[in-house]
Amino acid sequence: QQQVKQSPQSLIVQKGGISIINCAYENTAFDYFPWYQQFPGKGPALLIAIRPDVSEKKEGRFTISFNKSAKQFSLHIMDSQPGDSATYFCAPLGAYSGAGSYQLTFGKGTKLSVIP
Amino acid sequence: DGGITQSPKYLFRKEGQNVTLSCEQNLNHDAMYWYRQDPGQGLRLIYYSQIVNDFQKGDIAEGYSVSREKKESFPLTVTSAQKNPTAFYLCASSETGTPEAFFGQGTRLTVV
Repeated sequence: QQQVKQSPQSLIVQKGGISIINCAYENTAFDYFPWYQQFPGKGPALLIAIRPDVSEKKEGRFTISFNKSAKQFSLHIMDSQPGDSATYFCAPLGAYSGAGSYQLTFGKGTKLSVIP
Repeated sequence: DGGITQSPKYLFRKEGQNVTLSCEQNLNHDAMYWYRQDPGQGLRLIYYSQIVNDFQKGDIAEGYSVSREKKESFPLTVTSAQKNPTAFYLCASSETGTPEAFFGQGTRLTVV
């Protein structure tokens, strides 16, 4: 059962353009919606995250939009730069384990290439 | 510097041999995780541990084993029972009750 569907699988954007990556989920128990950024040969790192009590969060050029009724959230990268070229993962989660630790459910990733 | 250290960065082993991947953290986190990453597959959870001397199977635990004898250490053994062990392995940790996971730099295991 695929709980998280991320799209597109790959994305090529011109420098200065807007990159949009989408994530659809099924589990209504999710209560934290992060995006992780991973550069080749490195581990992922948290980029930006949102709680379900707000519909949008902006940090610099990065914005998360959250649609609770549609069970979707998206990452928008404004003024995309070559340095943004990386793989992006959505990883919604809730406290499945019940003891305070969280298990991330990762999407399959979107490889973003920003060309000059 | 606080963080997660995985070693080695690259590892080559012959088929049929067990191999142990190291993961050490100095973030004082209680929870630690092992993920496997294959191209186009995202990250899949192998094992996780919420506290010393306790660990739980994730989605793809078959052919792997772990131990958690110390809070800062969570080694992963890839056994000969793992059918397709060649992959990029990522260790992560998180503070109890907080959702952000911190990842190491990964170990790329190649079995020949």
